[in-house]
Amino acid sequence: GAGVSQSPSNKVTEKGKDVELRCDPISGHTALYWYRQSLGQGLEFLIYFQGNSAPDKSGLPSDRFSAERTGGSVSTLTIQRTQQEDSAVYLCASSLWGGSTDTQYFGPGTRLTVL
Amino acid sequence: AQSVAQPEDQVNVAEGNPLTVKCTYSVSGNPYLFWYVQYPNRGLQFLLKYITGDNLVKGSYGFEAEFNKSQTSFHLKKPSALVSDSALYFCAVRDAVSSGSARQLTFGSGTQLTVLP
Repeated sequence: GAGVSQSPSNKVTEKGKDVELRCDPISGHTALYWYRQSLGQGLEFLIYFQGNSAPDKSGLPSDRFSAERTGGSVSTLTIQRTQQEDSAVYLCASSLWGGSTDTQYFGPGTRLTVL
Repeated sequence: AQSVAQPEDQVNVAEGNPLTVKCTYSVSGNPYLFWYVQYPNRGLQFLLKYITGDNLVKGSYGFEAEFNKSQTSFHLKKPSALVSDSALYFCAVRDAVSSGSARQLTFGSGTQLTVLP
């Protein structure tokens, strides 16, 4: 079946502009995660959605970052007033039920470049 | 708190030789351990995981990993490396006693594996 998809695959923007990144999880997966992969920083957790529960936003680096998940499926990560340090690959993952033993399946990522 | 260390940024091995990519972890409770592989300009691809039971876990593409509780390690291994195994490998951990909704994985910094022909 189809895996996790993300769009766009690449995004170049100017400092100060807002961007929206989209994630389509695997059908039937109730849990969705956003991570950021920066050069020299490794993989950094951003936010976690599970079903109708309140999201875990503990990894969001600043209030310029926000995310929503509509209808328990598609998620959008929004970065307002982008800064050069926001340049990274943003990875989305989904898992079946979000439990501790669950495997997360990753999308191909969106490479964001802030000029 | 949970953490993962991958002590080697780069591992080089000749094709046909066995390979090992090292990973050590730190958790409060019991660990759930994962290995992922990332090819250039691609997302992370799941290889294998250890939850409980047999310490030797077999995964995709001939990879296996051995859980060692006393050494808090979960090294990735393959008996005979292929040039196509060249990629970036990530170890990840989740603490079994994670509270609340703390279900995210904590990743190591990654190890670049190069298999030389």
